[in-house]
Amino acid sequence: AQSVTQLDSQVPVFEEAPVELRCNYSSSVSVYLFWYVQYPNQGLQLLLKYLSGSTLVKGINGFEAEFNKSQTSFHLRKPSVHISDTAEYFCAVSNQAGTALIFGKGTTLSVSS
Amino acid sequence: GAGVSQSPSNKVTEKGKDVELRCDPISGHTALYWYRQSLGQGLEFLIYFQGNSAPDKSGLPSDRFSAERTGGSVSTLTIQRTQQEDSAVYLCASSPSVGTIYEQYFGPGTRLTVT
Repeated sequence: AQSVTQLDSQVPVFEEAPVELRCNYSSSVSVYLFWYVQYPNQGLQLLLKYLSGSTLVKGINGFEAEFNKSQTSFHLRKPSVHISDTAEYFCAVSNQAGTALIFGKGTTLSVSS
Repeated sequence: GAGVSQSPSNKVTEKGKDVELRCDPISGHTALYWYRQSLGQGLEFLIYFQGNSAPDKSGLPSDRFSAERTGGSVSTLTIQRTQQEDSAVYLCASSPSVGTIYEQYFGPGTRLTVT
């Protein structure tokens, strides 16, 4: 069965600093990988997804992620964060049947000035 | 807009009562998913519909939880004899067809509070 581990529950950073949110997954088959963002009191919004092809995926709001099959990782990065990036970030993997997403526990990104 | 809608947005109920949560998927989307987001368990899958059938119910936590979908559109998640641990945000999502989980769109959720 697939599983997702987000290695940091909270990541505090200063505005304009780079950030990396780490995600590792386990799966014995090819899967789809996703990053979602949830702003306070809002729903889930897709940041980016990896389906196949290029291992570097670019998403919205300047975020990107790199799929590393050998390390079973899908870390999310942004070179310069803004206060408005403060939110909860979830890494997810599709199950083998393609009927569900399996989510990590989430990483709270707190950006301060 | 043409997104996934859910109702009610908030529901407060007493322990032991039954509740029904509604999801209206994006028009034309045949795949529909229910998830639950709670403080203790994070985001969990509950059930998947393809059309009106539910080939994957593996995430339903107990037999108090059931869901149905009619006309290949609206879905209702029913929780019977609610317990305090059922308090959570219930999220619905839809995607165009079978095998399109990568095109999943989420609704705003229903916040359920069991007192």
